[in-house]
Amino acid sequence: GAVVSQHPSWVICKSGTSVKIECRSLDFQATTMFWYRQFPKQSLMLMATSNEGSKATYEQGVEKDKFLINHASLTLSTLTVTSAHPEDSSFYICSARVFWDLSYEQYFGPGTRLTVT
Amino acid sequence: AQSVTQPDIHITVSEGASLELRCNYSYGATPYLFWYVQSPGQGLQLLLKYFSGDTLVQGIKGFEAEFKRSQSSFNLRKPSVHWSDAAEYFCAVGARSNYQLIWGAGTKLIIKP
Repeated sequence: GAVVSQHPSWVICKSGTSVKIECRSLDFQATTMFWYRQFPKQSLMLMATSNEGSKATYEQGVEKDKFLINHASLTLSTLTVTSAHPEDSSFYICSARVFWDLSYEQYFGPGTRLTVT
Repeated sequence: AQSVTQPDIHITVSEGASLELRCNYSYGATPYLFWYVQSPGQGLQLLLKYFSGDTLVQGIKGFEAEFKRSQSSFNLRKPSVHWSDAAEYFCAVGARSNYQLIWGAGTKLIIKP
């Protein structure tokens, strides 16, 4: 259980275009999802927290007008990279938070490799 | 400030040998602690977590970790590594206030045949 999928797994787009990445919780409902960015050989950088039915909370330094997040249902959150530029090329990962009794954990999608040419 | 330190960027271990990956944290209260593994082409997978209780935590794939409050550490161990354990390992602290994860830089595990 607790499977998170991402689509697409990789995408190449031209500079100036927009790209949408989907994150789905397949067998559970997720009121909160997280979007991360990972640069090569580096750790995960939290971009934003996505809450179902409300506006996302962005981390400092992340442009909310550039990285649009929508969490319209309990199983789907989307990240749209608008007017993409080569510096937006990166590995984007989503996760869904699940509470278990007195603990919690995040389940991660496999990631989306974005290349902007 | 809250932070997680994984002092080893790379570790090379012979197959069959024991493994210990280090993780130190800075957090104002008793932390929630996690170890995740990231294999090429796969999503991050939770190996184990500590929230309370027994400070020696057993995880999947034969891994265990020990929470040592006095040393602010949560080191990951495995008695005998397999070639399939080659991956990137991340330690994380879970914030109690907003449940976000604070990540270490990761340790790349290389297995020698």
